[in-house]
Amino acid sequence: DAGVIQSPRHEVTEMGQEVTLRCKPISGHNSLFWYRQTMMRGLELLIYFNNNVPIDDSGMPEDRFSAKMPNASFSTLKIQPSEPRDSAVYFCASSLARRLHNEQFFGPGTRLTVL
Amino acid sequence: AQSVSQHNHHVILSEAASLELGCNYSYGGTVNLFWYVQYPGQHLQLLLKYFSGDPLVKGIKGFEAEFIKSKFSFNLRKPSVQWSDTAEYFCAVLIAGNMLTFGGGTRLMVKP
Repeated sequence: DAGVIQSPRHEVTEMGQEVTLRCKPISGHNSLFWYRQTMMRGLELLIYFNNNVPIDDSGMPEDRFSAKMPNASFSTLKIQPSEPRDSAVYFCASSLARRLHNEQFFGPGTRLTVL
Repeated sequence: AQSVSQHNHHVILSEAASLELGCNYSYGGTVNLFWYVQYPGQHLQLLLKYFSGDPLVKGIKGFEAEFIKSKFSFNLRKPSVQWSDTAEYFCAVLIAGNMLTFGGGTRLMVKP
């Protein structure tokens, strides 16, 4: 199993540009999570999906952020327009939801730098 | 709302020293508990987890953690740390559904 796959691994862009981060969860997993990690705020849950449906997006910072999961094997996190304060490492994680036994597996992350 | 507290933000140890990282959570019901490790520049990896049964759980790389329900704690321990244990350690709690609540993390630096 390749684990959770994220692309790109690094992204450098200019303020105002659109950024799209991609995630492929582990095959068979039915839950997907997007996290943001910064020095100041640590690890924050942005949104999570269960069976491709967004369940909780209360962590999404603003309307500039949007996430989709068109099918069980793909999700995107989009920032439009991007701002320097969006610079962070964005992690995707997936799990197989079985009542309480839900271990999350993390992807390698996308390091985003907005200039 | 539930919360997870990691008391030590930064820990510096010499090799072969013993390690204990504190983790407390605020929730009175059934919980699942996790410790994740993040090596420099890498993603989070699971060290160990507690779902039920023996409250002393053993993980990879010689780490263990003890769930003490009366203290709402799940402290991480290792008897003798190595330089390669330098990383950030996150405690996390799963209460219901799929959402993990993470602690703020503890940065461990092991001096050779």
